[in-house]
Amino acid sequence: AQSVTQLDSQVPVFEEAPVELRCNYSSSVSVYLFWYVQYPNQGLQLLLKYLSGSTLVKGINGFEAEFNKSQTSFHLRKPSVHISDTAEYFCAVRDAGGTSYGKLTFGQGTILTVHP
Amino acid sequence: DAGVIQSPRHEVTEMGQEVTLRCKPISGHDYLFWYRQTMMRGLELLIYFNNNVPIDDSGMPEDRFSAKMPNASFSTLKIQPSEPRDSAVYFCASSSTGQETQYFGPGTRLLVL
Repeated sequence: AQSVTQLDSQVPVFEEAPVELRCNYSSSVSVYLFWYVQYPNQGLQLLLKYLSGSTLVKGINGFEAEFNKSQTSFHLRKPSVHISDTAEYFCAVRDAGGTSYGKLTFGQGTILTVHP
Repeated sequence: DAGVIQSPRHEVTEMGQEVTLRCKPISGHDYLFWYRQTMMRGLELLIYFNNNVPIDDSGMPEDRFSAKMPNASFSTLKIQPSEPRDSAVYFCASSSTGQETQYFGPGTRLLVL
């Protein structure tokens, strides 16, 4: 079984500042990793995903994440945030094996608040 | 594409009543997922279907919960009888084999009094 820990429940930041949202996972097998974003009163939307290949993954809205297997981390970063980035961000993991397609385990979420 | 459609968007009911939540996945998607989101437990996978067949229902909390997918374009999640602790936002998501991206609906906010 997998588990995901998002180390910060809330991250306040000023507009145009850089931000990092931290995610650590636990698994005994190879994994796929995801970041989803949830804007108020909406469903989740995929930001980016790591399946294989380059450990630096670029996503939508200028976000990127780096897979670090030795540290079992998948931190999300953005060099300069905007007010519109205010949302809740979820890290998710799933077993890379074919028998558990789609069975994601989500972290508890990090609320990013961007202040003017 | 219209995206994943869920109805109703909001539901208020009294304890003991039956509640039915509905979902229409994106056309052509062969996977459908039901999630529950609460402050205490976060986002939990309840059940998912592949080609209308339930694959894993280990997240369904108890026998009061049931889900069906009679065809590729419709699924229901039923709670009978409902209890106040079932109050949550219920999301439906769909995906296509090999896509590794789940598309979420806007959710149904359920309040059981």
